[in-house]
Amino acid sequence: EAEVAQSPRYKITEKSQAVAFWCDPISGHATLYWYRQILGQGPELLVQFQDESVVDDSQLPKDRFSAERLKGVDSTLKIQPAELGDSAMYLCASSNSGGTRTDTQYFGPGTRLTVL
Amino acid sequence: AQSVAQPEDQVNVAEGNPLTVKCTYSVSGNPYLFWYVQYPNRGLQFLLKYITGDNLVKGSYGFEAEFNKSQTSFHLKKPSALVSDSALYFCAVSKAAGNKLTFGGGTRVLVKP
Repeated sequence: EAEVAQSPRYKITEKSQAVAFWCDPISGHATLYWYRQILGQGPELLVQFQDESVVDDSQLPKDRFSAERLKGVDSTLKIQPAELGDSAMYLCASSNSGGTRTDTQYFGPGTRLTVL
Repeated sequence: AQSVAQPEDQVNVAEGNPLTVKCTYSVSGNPYLFWYVQYPNRGLQFLLKYITGDNLVKGSYGFEAEFNKSQTSFHLKKPSALVSDSALYFCAVSKAAGNKLTFGGGTRVLVKP
């Protein structure tokens, strides 16, 4: 069964450092999402891509966060500089928004970030 | 704006007993409703969804959910809970196909042997 891949699974960094997370969606899925899940809460969308284009980044803190999906396949989420409040699980999801319009989002295992 | 409420932080149930996890939602237009389960330090695993059609939706691992438009609810149910069902359950809503999911705060389910 195809899965969303993410790396690294765990990342520990010091505040003010830069961190980057990578996501490879299920093959053929045109839509890719990055969510942030703070401990004890539900995930919240940071950014959504349709192919290589950003369609929703309204909740992305653009002064320190950036995301790209250059070839419309895999994606990178970067934080620079990291702050203590960025400690969370970063989840990537993908969906097939094509003709079937099933639009179920399938999630990867996540990257747990700890900022010291 | 869309929102989801999961009124119970935790649900305790004995193995073999029925399990219900409550969810109510608010969204403009027809909702797309989802249930996911999360095990410790793992991503979210899709259980089931309601898009249109029959109000009773069947999903993975014996779970089902009932869509009630008048009560704006989408409660998750399982007739006979297993210890392995112990996990964190999230209800989510989207207002259109392909749009972002808005999640509830999650309900922790503990099934005791």
